[in-house]
Amino acid sequence: EPEVTQTPSHQVTQMGQEVILRCVPISNHLYFYWYRQILGQKVEFLVSFYNNEISEKSEIFDDQFSVERPDGSNFTLKIRSTKLEDSAMYFCASGGTVYSNQPQHFGDGTRLSIL
Amino acid sequence: EDQVTQSPEALRLQEGESSSLNCSYTVSGLRGLFWYRQDPGKGPEFLFTLYSAGEEKEKERLKATLTKKESFLHITAPKPEDSATYLCAVNTNAGKSTFGDGTTLTVKP
Repeated sequence: EPEVTQTPSHQVTQMGQEVILRCVPISNHLYFYWYRQILGQKVEFLVSFYNNEISEKSEIFDDQFSVERPDGSNFTLKIRSTKLEDSAMYFCASGGTVYSNQPQHFGDGTRLSIL
Repeated sequence: EDQVTQSPEALRLQEGESSSLNCSYTVSGLRGLFWYRQDPGKGPEFLFTLYSAGEEKEKERLKATLTKKESFLHITAPKPEDSATYLCAVNTNAGKSTFGDGTTLTVKP
């Protein structure tokens, strides 16, 4: 069964450094998402992406964050200048062969640790 | 603002002891409600989508139902391998999903 894959599984970075988290969504999906989960807290929506542009973003997704689908298969999340509070599990999801309210399928996440 | 509340926070069952998990929601425009299972250190695993009140979906020992204000995940005769955190999420505009805090289920043999 097709799945969403994320790399790396764990990223350790110094505060202030840039990080890029990578995802390969399921190939026939049209909608792409990033969520984050701080340890012990709920899964929080960051951004949705469709037709090569952001369709919705949360308050968390400020100017330090950006997303890109550089080559038609990868989907990346960049954090320009990381802060301690960015430490979390970041999940990529993809869904929707037609509509955005079709099920979203998640990867196993990248654990981001900011020192 | 969209809100999703799951109860109970934690549920401990004996193997074979059936029960239900609740997800109540307040949203401005529900386009779907998703149930997921999450194991420690893993991403949410999709279980069910419900789109309209009265809809029911079943898979093995799990059955999900939906009303206009809440959804239930019924677990019949659970086994230890059903132990996980069960997440409910409501889907609104542009595919954004708002998650609840989850119910952590422990099934003892």
